[in-house]
Amino acid sequence: SAVISQKPSRDICQRGTSLTIQCQVDSQVTMMFWYRQQPGQSLTLIATANQGSEATYESGFVIDKFPISRPNLTFSTLTVSNMSPEDSSIYLCSVGSGGTYEQYFGPGTRLTVT
Amino acid sequence: AQKVTQAQTEISVVEKEDVTLDCVYETRDTTYYLFWYKQPPSGELVFLIRRNSFDEQNEISGRYSWNFQKSTSSFNFTITASQVVDSAVYFCALSDATDQTGANNLFFGTGTRLTVIP
Repeated sequence: SAVISQKPSRDICQRGTSLTIQCQVDSQVTMMFWYRQQPGQSLTLIATANQGSEATYESGFVIDKFPISRPNLTFSTLTVSNMSPEDSSIYLCSVGSGGTYEQYFGPGTRLTVT
Repeated sequence: AQKVTQAQTEISVVEKEDVTLDCVYETRDTTYYLFWYKQPPSGELVFLIRRNSFDEQNEISGRYSWNFQKSTSSFNFTITASQVVDSAVYFCALSDATDQTGANNLFFGTGTRLTVIP
């Protein structure tokens, strides 16, 4: 299994600001995914990030609000822009292992917007 | 469209009891993967199992077992002799397997919160 780290682990941010979350994997992976888990809720996919191409966003999520970078096969960032209290969630990155279809998650970034 | 239903929102059992967590899924794909994850109070998601749609054999891993039945589109999870450390939210998830480059995005159920009472 892949070892995934995320920074920061948690943050408290003010309304209107932006936060960039980093996801680092200990091995090269083709696809990386960003999920959101709102308080007490299930996980919802925000976007899929393939190295060397634009991220693919799910319905309800837009690039202006959640820009994603994927500069190489071990790293990705998700920015939560112009934050509002509704963005308070846990944000998790996830990686797939090539060909085996297993998927592992980072420890998450717990974001609180005041 | 993919859909995963976990009808049990919360379950409480007394330690050492067996407990089964239900998962029913919907998909039009003939090839797909089913997953179970555990989310303890610390928040991280722990991968428990992946099952592909062609393999209907039940699986046992220690106190955990999984029953996959395509006829009823169910993938249930049983914990035998439950322990307090099993207290967590358990998520069932579904992935289509049409992309040959690797894993695909997961569609999660709403989760079942299991509380094991000492």
